[in-house]
Amino acid sequence: DQQVKQNSPSLSVQEGRISILNCDYTNSMFDYFLWYKKYPAEGPTFLISISSIKDKNEDGRFTVFLNKSAKHLSLHIVPSQPGDSAVYFCAASAEGGADGLTFGKGTHLIIQP
Amino acid sequence: DSGVTQTPKHLITATGQRVTLRCSPRSGDLSVYWYQQSLDQGLQFLIQYYNGEERAKGNILERFSAQQFPDLHSELNLSSLELGDSALYFCASSAGFGGQETQYFGPGTRLLVL
Repeated sequence: DQQVKQNSPSLSVQEGRISILNCDYTNSMFDYFLWYKKYPAEGPTFLISISSIKDKNEDGRFTVFLNKSAKHLSLHIVPSQPGDSAVYFCAASAEGGADGLTFGKGTHLIIQP
Repeated sequence: DSGVTQTPKHLITATGQRVTLRCSPRSGDLSVYWYQQSLDQGLQFLIQYYNGEERAKGNILERFSAQQFPDLHSELNLSSLELGDSALYFCASSAGFGGQETQYFGPGTRLLVL
Protein backbone atom coordinates (compact mmCIF):
# COMPACT_ATOMS: atom_id res chain seq x y z
CA ASP A 1 0.00 0.00 0.00
CA GLN A 2 1.67 3.17 -1.24
CA GLN A 3 1.13 5.94 1.30
CA VAL A 4 2.96 8.53 -0.80
CA LYS A 5 2.25 8.63 -4.50
CA GLN A 6 3.89 10.50 -7.32
CA ASN A 7 1.72 9.64 -10.26
CA SER A 8 3.89 11.15 -12.98
CA PRO A 9 7.00 9.03 -13.57
CA SER A 10 8.40 11.76 -15.82
CA LEU A 11 7.83 15.39 -16.74
CA SER A 12 9.37 17.44 -19.53
CA VAL A 13 9.48 21.25 -19.21
CA GLN A 14 11.06 23.94 -21.31
CA GLU A 15 13.92 25.93 -19.81
CA GLY A 16 12.66 29.13 -18.21
CA ARG A 17 9.13 27.85 -17.68
CA ILE A 18 7.54 26.62 -14.45
CA SER A 19 7.92 22.99 -13.39
CA ILE A 20 5.15 21.61 -11.20
CA LEU A 21 5.67 18.25 -9.51
CA ASN A 22 2.79 16.65 -7.67
CA CYS A 23 2.50 14.29 -4.74
CA ASP A 24 -0.48 12.71 -2.99
CA TYR A 25 -0.57 10.97 0.37
CA THR A 26 -3.04 8.80 2.21
CA ASN A 27 -1.81 8.71 5.80
CA SER A 28 -3.52 11.38 7.95
CA MET A 29 -0.74 11.06 10.52
CA PHE A 30 1.83 12.63 8.19
CA ASP A 31 2.67 16.09 9.45
CA TYR A 32 5.98 16.94 7.78
CA PHE A 33 6.71 16.81 4.08
CA LEU A 34 9.97 17.11 2.19
CA TRP A 35 11.18 17.21 -1.38
CA TYR A 36 14.48 15.70 -2.39
CA LYS A 37 16.35 15.87 -5.67
CA LYS A 38 18.46 12.96 -6.83
CA TYR A 39 21.05 12.61 -9.56
CA PRO A 40 22.15 9.14 -10.73
CA ALA A 41 24.78 7.52 -8.50
CA GLU A 42 24.28 10.15 -5.76
CA GLY A 43 22.25 10.33 -2.58
CA PRO A 44 19.03 12.36 -2.33
CA THR A 45 19.67 16.07 -1.76
CA PHE A 46 17.25 17.95 0.47
CA LEU A 47 15.44 20.78 -1.33
CA ILE A 48 12.60 22.13 0.76
CA SER A 49 10.16 21.06 3.44
CA ILE A 50 6.81 22.08 4.85
CA SER A 51 5.07 21.44 8.14
CA SER A 52 1.40 20.54 8.18
CA ILE A 53 0.60 23.79 10.01
CA LYS A 54 1.55 25.75 6.89
CA ASP A 55 0.18 25.71 3.37
CA LYS A 56 3.15 27.25 1.59
CA ASN A 57 6.89 27.46 1.96
CA GLU A 58 9.24 29.27 -0.38
CA ASP A 59 13.00 29.09 -0.85
CA GLY A 60 14.41 30.89 -3.85
CA ARG A 61 13.13 29.28 -7.04
CA PHE A 62 11.41 26.49 -5.08
CA THR A 63 7.95 26.70 -3.54
CA VAL A 64 6.06 23.87 -1.91
CA PHE A 65 2.29 24.03 -1.49
CA LEU A 66 0.33 21.80 0.88
CA ASN A 67 -3.39 21.13 0.64
CA LYS A 68 -4.19 19.09 3.73
CA SER A 69 -7.86 18.56 2.94
CA ALA A 70 -6.94 17.04 -0.42
CA LYS A 71 -3.84 15.30 0.99
CA HIS A 72 -1.86 16.81 -1.85
CA LEU A 73 1.37 18.72 -2.15
CA SER A 74 3.20 20.20 -5.07
CA LEU A 75 6.65 21.56 -5.77
CA HIS A 76 6.95 24.55 -8.08
CA ILE A 77 10.28 25.42 -9.66
CA VAL A 78 10.45 28.73 -11.45
CA PRO A 79 12.21 29.47 -13.66
CA SER A 80 13.34 25.95 -14.56
CA GLN A 81 17.01 25.56 -15.37
CA PRO A 82 18.95 22.75 -17.12
CA GLY A 83 20.59 21.79 -13.80
CA ASP A 84 17.14 21.01 -12.42
CA SER A 85 16.98 17.86 -14.55
CA ALA A 86 16.94 15.05 -11.97
CA VAL A 87 14.59 12.68 -10.17
CA TYR A 88 12.48 14.41 -7.52
CA PHE A 89 11.19 12.50 -4.52
CA CYS A 90 8.37 13.53 -2.27
CA ALA A 91 8.70 12.24 1.31
CA ALA A 92 6.59 12.41 4.45
CA SER A 93 7.00 11.68 8.11
CA ALA A 94 4.41 11.00 10.76
CA GLU A 95 4.14 12.63 14.15
CA GLY A 96 7.02 11.33 16.27
CA GLY A 97 8.87 10.07 13.23
CA ALA A 98 8.54 6.45 14.27
CA ASP A 99 8.45 5.13 10.73
CA GLY A 100 11.25 7.21 9.26
CA LEU A 101 10.52 8.94 5.98
CA THR A 102 8.01 7.42 3.56
CA PHE A 103 8.99 8.16 -0.02
CA GLY A 104 7.13 8.33 -3.30
CA LYS A 105 8.59 6.54 -6.30
CA GLY A 106 9.90 9.78 -7.82
CA THR A 107 9.31 11.95 -10.87
CA HIS A 108 12.03 12.32 -13.47
CA LEU A 109 12.12 16.00 -14.46
CA ILE A 110 13.69 16.80 -17.81
CA ILE A 111 14.38 20.44 -18.64
CA GLN A 112 14.45 20.99 -22.39
CA PRO A 113 16.70 23.79 -23.74
CA ASP B 1 28.03 17.66 -0.16
CA SER B 2 25.59 16.78 2.64
CA GLY B 3 28.32 16.06 5.19
CA VAL B 4 27.19 12.44 5.57
CA THR B 5 29.82 9.93 4.49
CA GLN B 6 29.36 6.29 3.58
CA THR B 7 31.85 3.54 2.84
CA PRO B 8 32.39 1.59 0.73
CA LYS B 9 30.90 3.15 -2.38
CA HIS B 10 30.55 -0.19 -4.13
CA LEU B 11 30.47 -3.74 -2.81
CA ILE B 12 30.28 -7.00 -4.76
CA THR B 13 29.82 -10.23 -2.88
CA ALA B 14 28.32 -13.70 -3.17
CA THR B 15 25.12 -15.19 -1.84
CA GLY B 16 25.37 -16.40 1.74
CA GLN B 17 28.06 -13.89 2.66
CA ARG B 18 28.02 -11.12 5.26
CA VAL B 19 28.93 -7.47 4.68
CA THR B 20 29.17 -4.32 6.79
CA LEU B 21 28.27 -0.86 5.54
CA ARG B 22 29.55 2.17 7.39
CA CYS B 23 28.11 5.65 7.86
CA SER B 24 29.35 8.82 9.53
CA PRO B 25 26.68 11.44 10.22
CA ARG B 26 26.97 15.19 9.75
CA SER B 27 28.85 16.93 12.50
CA GLY B 28 26.50 17.52 15.42
CA ASP B 29 23.77 15.16 14.25
CA LEU B 30 22.72 12.51 16.74
CA SER B 31 20.29 10.49 14.62
CA VAL B 32 21.27 8.05 11.91
CA TYR B 33 18.81 6.37 9.56
CA TRP B 34 19.31 3.55 7.08
CA TYR B 35 17.32 3.18 3.85
CA GLN B 36 17.31 0.63 1.05
CA GLN B 37 16.57 1.60 -2.53
CA SER B 38 15.74 -1.23 -4.88
CA LEU B 39 14.36 -0.95 -8.39
CA ASP B 40 10.88 -2.22 -7.57
CA GLN B 41 10.42 -0.93 -4.00
CA GLY B 42 11.85 2.57 -4.14
CA LEU B 43 13.39 4.07 -1.00
CA GLN B 44 12.41 2.08 2.09
CA PHE B 45 13.17 2.98 5.69
CA LEU B 46 15.06 0.28 7.55
CA ILE B 47 16.06 1.53 10.99
CA GLN B 48 16.93 4.62 13.04
CA TYR B 49 19.40 5.15 15.86
CA TYR B 50 19.56 8.17 18.12
CA ASN B 51 22.63 8.78 20.27
CA GLY B 52 23.50 5.09 20.33
CA GLU B 53 20.01 3.73 20.96
CA GLU B 54 17.64 2.12 18.50
CA ARG B 55 14.78 4.55 18.02
CA ALA B 56 12.58 3.22 15.23
CA LYS B 57 12.37 0.16 13.05
CA GLY B 58 10.97 -0.11 9.55
CA ASN B 59 11.06 -2.88 6.98
CA ILE B 60 14.32 -4.37 8.17
CA LEU B 61 14.86 -8.09 7.68
CA GLU B 62 15.98 -10.26 10.59
CA ARG B 63 19.18 -11.02 8.63
CA PHE B 64 20.04 -7.32 8.85
CA SER B 65 21.20 -5.52 11.97
CA ALA B 66 22.64 -2.13 12.78
CA GLN B 67 24.32 -0.28 15.58
CA GLN B 68 25.48 3.22 16.42
CA PHE B 69 28.75 3.66 18.23
CA PRO B 70 29.77 6.21 20.90
CA ASP B 71 31.41 8.39 18.23
CA LEU B 72 27.98 8.35 16.50
CA HIS B 73 29.06 6.50 13.38
CA SER B 74 26.79 3.64 12.42
CA GLU B 75 27.19 0.27 10.77
CA LEU B 76 24.61 -1.80 8.93
CA ASN B 77 25.34 -5.51 8.90
CA LEU B 78 23.78 -7.66 6.21
CA SER B 79 24.16 -11.43 6.57
CA SER B 80 23.16 -14.58 4.68
CA LEU B 81 22.94 -12.39 1.62
CA GLU B 82 20.49 -13.22 -1.14
CA LEU B 83 20.31 -12.02 -4.73
CA GLY B 84 17.36 -9.83 -3.79
CA ASP B 85 19.48 -7.86 -1.33
CA SER B 86 21.23 -6.18 -4.25
CA ALA B 87 20.31 -2.54 -3.88
CA LEU B 88 21.52 0.93 -2.99
CA TYR B 89 21.83 1.46 0.75
CA PHE B 90 21.62 5.04 1.99
CA CYS B 91 22.41 6.46 5.35
CA ALA B 92 20.89 9.75 6.48
CA SER B 93 21.36 11.86 9.58
CA SER B 94 19.44 14.52 11.44
CA ALA B 95 19.98 16.60 14.53
CA GLY B 96 17.22 15.07 16.66
CA PHE B 97 14.74 12.23 16.53
CA GLY B 98 11.29 13.82 16.27
CA GLY B 99 9.02 13.65 13.27
CA GLN B 100 9.78 17.10 11.94
CA GLU B 101 13.43 16.49 11.33
CA THR B 102 15.12 17.12 8.02
CA GLN B 103 17.24 14.16 7.07
CA TYR B 104 20.43 14.62 5.05
CA PHE B 105 21.55 11.70 2.94
CA GLY B 106 24.93 10.25 2.18
CA PRO B 107 26.06 9.16 -1.31
CA GLY B 108 25.05 5.54 -0.74
CA THR B 109 26.65 2.11 -1.00
CA ARG B 110 25.79 0.05 -4.05
CA LEU B 111 25.63 -3.63 -3.09
CA LEU B 112 25.65 -6.33 -5.73
CA VAL B 113 25.08 -9.91 -4.62
CA LEU B 114 26.08 -12.52 -7.20
